[in-house]
Amino acid sequence: GQQLNQSPQSMFIQEGEDVSMNCTSSSIFNTWLWYKQDPGEGPVLLIALYKAGELTSNGRLTAQFGITRKDSFLNISASIPSDVGIYFCAGPPSGTSGSRLTFGEGTQLTVNP
Amino acid sequence: NAGVTQTPKFQVLKTGQSMTLQCAQDMNHEYMSWYRQDPGMGLRLIHYSVGAGITDQGEVPNGYNVSRSTTEDFPLRLLSAAPSQTSVYFCASSGSLNTGELFFGEGSRLTVL
Repeated sequence: GQQLNQSPQSMFIQEGEDVSMNCTSSSIFNTWLWYKQDPGEGPVLLIALYKAGELTSNGRLTAQFGITRKDSFLNISASIPSDVGIYFCAGPPSGTSGSRLTFGEGTQLTVNP
Repeated sequence: NAGVTQTPKFQVLKTGQSMTLQCAQDMNHEYMSWYRQDPGMGLRLIHYSVGAGITDQGEVPNGYNVSRSTTEDFPLRLLSAAPSQTSVYFCASSGSLNTGELFFGEGSRLTVL
């Protein structure tokens, strides 16, 4: 199947720092989604991107849909302890519906108070 | 606000045993799906359904069966459990096939000895 490669795999940061992570694919995606998974919970949608070049914010989170349609970026500003969790990028492979999602491997974020 | 409910939350099986993971949603969503989550591999789609009576295979369907007799329920059956099926299983639902927004349950942790 189509692969989504996330980097970095893990991050250890101090509270207040900004965070950047990205997701790349060898294939074109028409939708990019960013989910967050808290420990012991299921993933929750943070941001959805539907148009190449789109830049969308949700509070301290900002995500961008890459112009090439093969990548996406997520930034978190002024991190706080509750930002801890696993962040997944996801998208529907070309030719499939928006709900048949491929997920990246995830970026594990640890925030030290 | 129940959302997506999965049972059981934890289960230990012996190789060769069978069991069913239950999933129910109360949002009247047409689309439902099952994912498994393994360390470093993100979430991988097992089976999905776009409505009652309709199911299809995802990325990793072998060893699993599903059925969708009602809109609310989407059980996942393991007919003969294998150690390779040790994983955390997530059920998800969606009200739209276009947005990519999935609502996940809290997960079911399965160990096969």
